Amino acid sequence: DTGVSQNPRHKITKRGQNVTFRCDPISEHNRLYWYRQTLGQGPEFLTYFQNEAQLEKSRLLSDRFSAERPKGSFSTLEIQRTEQGDSAMYLCASSLGGTWGNQPQHFGDGTRLSIL
Amino acid sequence: AQSVTQLGSHVSVSEGALVLLRCNYSSSVPPYLFWYVQYPNQGLQLLLKYTSAATLVKGINDFEAEFKKSETSFHLTKPSAHMSDAAEYFCAVSYYGGSQGNLIFGKGTKLSVKP
Repeated sequence: DTGVSQNPRHKITKRGQNVTFRCDPISEHNRLYWYRQTLGQGPEFLTYFQNEAQLEKSRLLSDRFSAERPKGSFSTLEIQRTEQGDSAMYLCASSLGGTWGNQPQHFGDGTRLSIL
Repeated sequence: AQSVTQLGSHVSVSEGALVLLRCNYSSSVPPYLFWYVQYPNQGLQLLLKYTSAATLVKGINDFEAEFKKSETSFHLTKPSAHMSDAAEYFCAVSYYGGSQGNLIFGKGTKLSVKP
């Protein structure tokens, strides 16, 4: 168990630029989640994959956000035309299958995005 | 709609004292409940989980939590605080048949431990 890996750890970019983050889940986990955490808040759900299928997207995920999980392995989260309000920590988590909701999610260390 | 309320955004205890972090949930169906800890600039680490088995749940580092359905609570306790326990703690809920198991988090409680 090598844990969930996220890259990069930090990203600084100018407003209007596109950014892409990568998440490598624990190898045997078929579920992968993306969350966003702003200062002083708990993580907020963004989107979820079961294998390669994106099964749910939060209303927080505007059309500037897109996520993929090709071949059900790693995942990428892309933000186009970044805005100041996108500054946050982006967390990835993975879990095993099973009865919905009862499997603990294992989190990576996150990617901190700062928009200048 | 499911939600989580953590009472107290900041709790301060002395080293060796009891730690009590409060969590109340709102759910129309039986919940699954989790406590996570987050150290600065790191992700979340699972402390313990309640998934409808024993109501008293033991986790890592001597933390435990008790599920009380009548009070809709899942408070986190530790008998004796260590300096290394200083971190932010998050309570989270998910539920069977809900949004594919995504977690709903509280706003967190920052624990400070005084020497």
